[in-house]
Order: sequence, then structure tokens, then C-alpha cells
Amino acid sequence: DAGVIQSPRHEVTEMGQEVTLRCKPISGHDYLFWYRQTMMRGLELLIYFNNNVPIDDSGMPEDRFSAKMPNASFSTLKIQPSEPRDSAVYFCASSYGPAGGNTIYFGEGSWLTVV
Amino acid sequence: QKEVEQDPGPLSVPEGAIVSLNCTYSNSAFQYFMWYRQYSRKGPELLMYTYSSGNKEDGRFTAQVDKSSKYISLFIRDSQPSDSATYLCAMKGAGSYQLTFGKGTKLSVIP
Repeated sequence: DAGVIQSPRHEVTEMGQEVTLRCKPISGHDYLFWYRQTMMRGLELLIYFNNNVPIDDSGMPEDRFSAKMPNASFSTLKIQPSEPRDSAVYFCASSYGPAGGNTIYFGEGSWLTVV
Repeated sequence: QKEVEQDPGPLSVPEGAIVSLNCTYSNSAFQYFMWYRQYSRKGPELLMYTYSSGNKEDGRFTAQVDKSSKYISLFIRDSQPSDSATYLCAMKGAGSYQLTFGKGTKLSVIP
């Protein structure tokens, strides 16, 4: 399998612009997670889906962030409008079964810079 | 107090050394403990997983969990330059879907 695929790998955008990050989970996985990683705060869970349904979005920082999973093979994380403090690495991850003993597989991340 | 504390390092050791990486935590509900390795500009990958207390060994890697002290460790024997990476501890409670990560320790193994 190709693993979790994220795009774009790098994005530089101006403050106020809309940013859309994309993720293709591993085929057959029923859980999908969006994480954000910064030097200050480390890895933080933003939202996760089970069978395409959002289960917990309590980590989404504010209304400017939204995530969708229209089908089992695709998810998006959107930031509108973007702000410089949104600059971070955004990881998508997937697993079969919940995040317990089961392995979570991470993508290589989308490196976002908002100027 | 943060739920999970991890010394960010950096930690620099000579090739062949034994490396000890540690995390402390405050949430007594945590039952599953993991170590992830993250190479530069890559996503984290699961290295070791332990349920509850005890030790687990996998090749050169040993994970230890001491729930009474709320302390977990990862030991790397005969460290290699290819072990140079950031190591993140992660943990979760039973029935929870949310992993709580440490901020990671950056390790450099010098040839």
C-alpha cells in the first residue's frame, strides 16, 4: 500500500487566503485523524472521523477550521481565512480500529506557512 | 502541569552508546503507551507499543512502563547513526480515541 497520502506537501499563502489540505487514508482503514504539529505545542489532535463521520472535533482551534470526509478515501482540512499563527505541519493519519493498540499510520505532512 | 512531559533535548551520543529516553505523565487513566520515531520532515512512525505496566523488547529497543511512578522509558542499545531522529512518547486511556503526545526528544547519534 502507498501509505497515507497528503497534498500539498508545502504551501505558502498570504494571510486571509483559504487553505485546503487533502488526505487519502490507507485503503480499508476506518479511522482518520488530523493532527497539527508546532514547536511550541507539539502534536495536537484536531479532529477524527470514524467511517467518514466526524466523532470529535474538540481540538479544532476555532471556526476558521473545518474538516470533511465525503468518502472513505478522501478528507480535507480547510482554513478560511488563514492567519500567520496557523503556520504548522498538518498531519493526516489513519488506522483500522481506534487509536489504542492499533497502529496509527501518519502521512508525511503538509507544511503550511502563512505570511 | 502538562499531561505529558518530555525533555526536548537535543541529545547527542556516540555510535554504540545506550540511549535512554523518558516521559512522565499525570493522567492515571492512561493505559496504552507508545513510542513514535520521526525523521526530519517526515511523519511519525510507531516504534514500540506497551499496554499497562512492564517491559517490552524489540531488537535493540526496550520500552518500560512504570505506572506507579507515571514514568515511561525507551532504551536503545548499540545506537546507530540511523537512529538519529525525534522520539515522541504517546499515551491514551482505555476506551479513548485520543492519543496525547509528548513534544519529542531530538536524538543525534554521532559516527
